[in-house]
Amino acid sequence: QVTLRESGPALVRPSQTLTLTCTFSGFSLSSTAMSVSWIRQPPGRALEWLARIDWDDDKYYITSLKTRLAISKDPSKNQVVLTMTNVDPVDTATYYCARKMGLGALDVWGQGTMVIVSS
Amino acid sequence: DIQMTQSPSTLSASVGDRVTITCRASQSFSFWLAWYQQKPGKAPKLLIYKASSLESGVPSRFSGSGSGTEFTLTISSLQPDDFATYYCQQYNSPPWTFGQGTKVEIK
Repeated sequence: QVTLRESGPALVRPSQTLTLTCTFSGFSLSSTAMSVSWIRQPPGRALEWLARIDWDDDKYYITSLKTRLAISKDPSKNQVVLTMTNVDPVDTATYYCARKMGLGALDVWGQGTMVIVSS
Repeated sequence: DIQMTQSPSTLSASVGDRVTITCRASQSFSFWLAWYQQKPGKAPKLLIYKASSLESGVPSRFSGSGSGTEFTLTISSLQPDDFATYYCQQYNSPPWTFGQGTKVEIK
């Protein structure tokens, strides 16, 4: 069974760095054509894709945030980490991680973690 | 970056209705388009990938079509469980992008 679970702080102060961890099971991020993405959703608003890391360590970011984001993986721990620097209240959202395998789309999602940015 | 525009933003329909949601892309691409269903407080669920391939376990009343810049999601006979928000997403080239969503409401 494939599962993903997001974890991280529920509250972050403006200008701080947010670190989110996606812990997964049931698949290997070392397998060809496997990738994990981060997606966020501000309250009452649409989904926004943020970043992706591939099995071969290729990385991709949303254009508007690429200077503030960094994605990495630790295959030994089955984890993918997203860091976002200099957070602002507009970064308040539910953050999801999701898997993509082969030619498919984002087929398995975590339950999401809500992050509030506030002083 | 490829921008995705969904229409309508909100759709009111009755059980049994045929429903169509459209997603238009700012640039043409072949078929790397997915559709997701999201219910309040839940993670999105994949319905359709590669524009027209039905994800395993998804009811056959859901179908997808299109290529180029126009894609559609059709629900052939709306069921009570289908009232939700639907999103398209292009994964043709990074950065990937979602549409703004279509909320399907009870008429």
